[in-house]
Amino acid sequence: QSALTQPASVSGSPGQSITISCTGTNSDIGGHNYVCWYQQHPGKAPKLMISDVSNRPSGVSNRFSGSKSGNTASLTISGLQAEDEADYYCSSYTSSSTWVFGGGTKLTVL
Amino acid sequence: QVQLQQWGAGLLKPSETLSLTCAVNGGSFSSHWWTWIRQPPGKGLEWIGEINHSGGTNYNPSLKSRVTISVDTSNNQFSLRLTSVTAADTAVYYCVTGGNWRFDPWGRGTLVTVSS
Repeated sequence: QSALTQPASVSGSPGQSITISCTGTNSDIGGHNYVCWYQQHPGKAPKLMISDVSNRPSGVSNRFSGSKSGNTASLTISGLQAEDEADYYCSSYTSSSTWVFGGGTKLTVL
Repeated sequence: QVQLQQWGAGLLKPSETLSLTCAVNGGSFSSHWWTWIRQPPGKGLEWIGEINHSGGTNYNPSLKSRVTISVDTSNNQFSLRLTSVTAADTAVYYCVTGGNWRFDPWGRGTLVTVSS
């Protein structure tokens, strides 16, 4: 199974919005709605930010939103804050009953 | 709320077997898929595999020949064994609560280094 494709880095200024894309295939992202996004700060374990393409777990800021079109999922962060600077990973269930992650995107808040 | 506590050897020699265990506190042990995920230093996340309370498993095809995940329902624990390790297996290994199509919460991670 191949990793999902994410941009290596994105950046934005405080208050702006950014979008991180995650591209897969019909066998993963395009085949169902089991796509999640995780935030990871240096030295910490990843934290679930979005599940089922667009659902925010309790406690996650409504500045985070997710969507999907075809084989590509997206994470949008609005009203960027310094604390949003982190690595972000997408994940998807696959038609082989396995899970696959994206390579990760480093978000820099300028 | 589920809490995970993991432990195991942090330094291995090439060809040895990696062994990690994760204890689950809180929540319903039978309601989840208990998962291992790893992250090489400076790199991305890699799903290793998962097990349910009945012992049903799913593994990453790229690791399947070397991986065994087992469950101890009497102690609410699950374990990872990875045989014939090499330097490429050096990573932080996380035990994770799976199920409901998400990974949440995560353990704190254990750095396993493979070096001669």
